[in-house]
Amino acid sequence: GIQVEQSPPDLILQEGANSTLRCNFSDSVNNLQWFHQNPWGQLINLFYIPSGTKQNGRLSATTVATERYSLLYISSSQTTDSGVYFCAVERNAGGTSYGKLTFGQGTILTVHP
Amino acid sequence: GAGVSQTPSNKVTEKGKYVELRCDPISGHTALYWYRQSLGQGPEFLIYFQGTGAADDSGLPNDRFFAVRPEGSVSTLKIQRTERGDSAVYLCASSLNRLTNEQFFGPGTRLTVL
Repeated sequence: GIQVEQSPPDLILQEGANSTLRCNFSDSVNNLQWFHQNPWGQLINLFYIPSGTKQNGRLSATTVATERYSLLYISSSQTTDSGVYFCAVERNAGGTSYGKLTFGQGTILTVHP
Repeated sequence: GAGVSQTPSNKVTEKGKYVELRCDPISGHTALYWYRQSLGQGPEFLIYFQGTGAADDSGLPNDRFFAVRPEGSVSTLKIQRTERGDSAVYLCASSLNRLTNEQFFGPGTRLTVL
């Protein structure tokens, strides 16, 4: 199956700092999503970004599908940004898709005041 | 509108018992997914429904696990003869359809098998 690797595994920041999270994947994809899992376990959709660049407030994401990676940028971090960030991909198989998402192991972000 | 809902939020059971976990997808979403998340890991796929049929059940770990979606909306994940290793958070997600497959997740059911 497709492999998804996220880096770094852990990240500790002071409030106000910027950060970049990376997601590498091993095969062509139809779908790529970034999620934030809050301390209560809820997966919150950040971006649906199989290719290109999107921005939403302090967050932005870029996926370079031909090079099989995606980046999530967090600017001016806040304590409420703490949690686990997951990248998940849906593998593309010759024009069809499998539907299911394969998740990376996540990046644990801690933002200190 | 309402998001994906799951019940119960927590379930504690004894080894060997049968459990049912319920998922209500976002209204109008035809695709429904079940995932399982163990501590410190990312969610792992279990089964995918398109409408009423299971389009992909390759993630179900064994035949103790079964899921249904009889009317193409609500789904129930059923686990027979539970084992301690089944303890995890069970997550449900839905998406509009196969072409628009942005998945939205429910809050999960935390299953503890004693």
